Amino acid sequence: DVKVTQSSRYLVKRTGEKVFLECVQDMDHENMFWYRQDPGLGLRLIYFSYDVKMKEKGDIPEGYSVSREKKERFSLILESASTNQTSMYLCASSLFQRRDNMYGYTFGSGTRLTVV
Amino acid sequence: TQLLEQSPQFLSIQEGENLTVYCNSSSVFSSLQWYRQEPGEGPVLLVTVVTGGEVKKLKRLTFQFGDARKDSSLHITAAQPGDTGLYLCAGDTSGTYKYIFGTGTRLKVLA
Repeated sequence: DVKVTQSSRYLVKRTGEKVFLECVQDMDHENMFWYRQDPGLGLRLIYFSYDVKMKEKGDIPEGYSVSREKKERFSLILESASTNQTSMYLCASSLFQRRDNMYGYTFGSGTRLTVV
Repeated sequence: TQLLEQSPQFLSIQEGENLTVYCNSSSVFSSLQWYRQEPGEGPVLLVTVVTGGEVKKLKRLTFQFGDARKDSSLHITAAQPGDTGLYLCAGDTSGTYKYIFGTGTRLKVLA
């Protein structure tokens, strides 16, 4: 069964800590994404990567960075965690898609991060 | 940032009822997807539509893409408790691999 695995389901960190969220996919997908999900705001794109060592900012990159050293792994880094980064973080992967490709995103189960 | 609005935000219905949820935008989408998310899990793809006016059926779920490719609807016939979840639409305006997600419709089907 193909999947996207996020390293932690629940995480509690202190303000100011450096936080690493790890995501691994076993589908040989080119594209990987990090979203955060907040009530009433939906899923918002933080960063995405379309190839190893390539990354692009999404809609809300401030306070975050990413790393993609291998095709299957995409890490999200909170440089100095703050309480407003308390959220559900979702990793996703997808094939490079043309308009008529129908595969969509495969999401991980999410990491619920609480910053205290 | 493009905005995808979904309505209603919340819906609570009895088992066996029919329902429709909507996804609207001012932008034209090259493709649009619907996902369902259950508590504690990530969203799971239900369908992708790409052609204006397209209708797709998945058992009791019917998806329609607007003629102008700016809106979509999801109709569920004879809802069951297993349909409970958060329904998300996601649109691609650039013909690339980046999708903008709507805020979701939270559906609860009561037995």
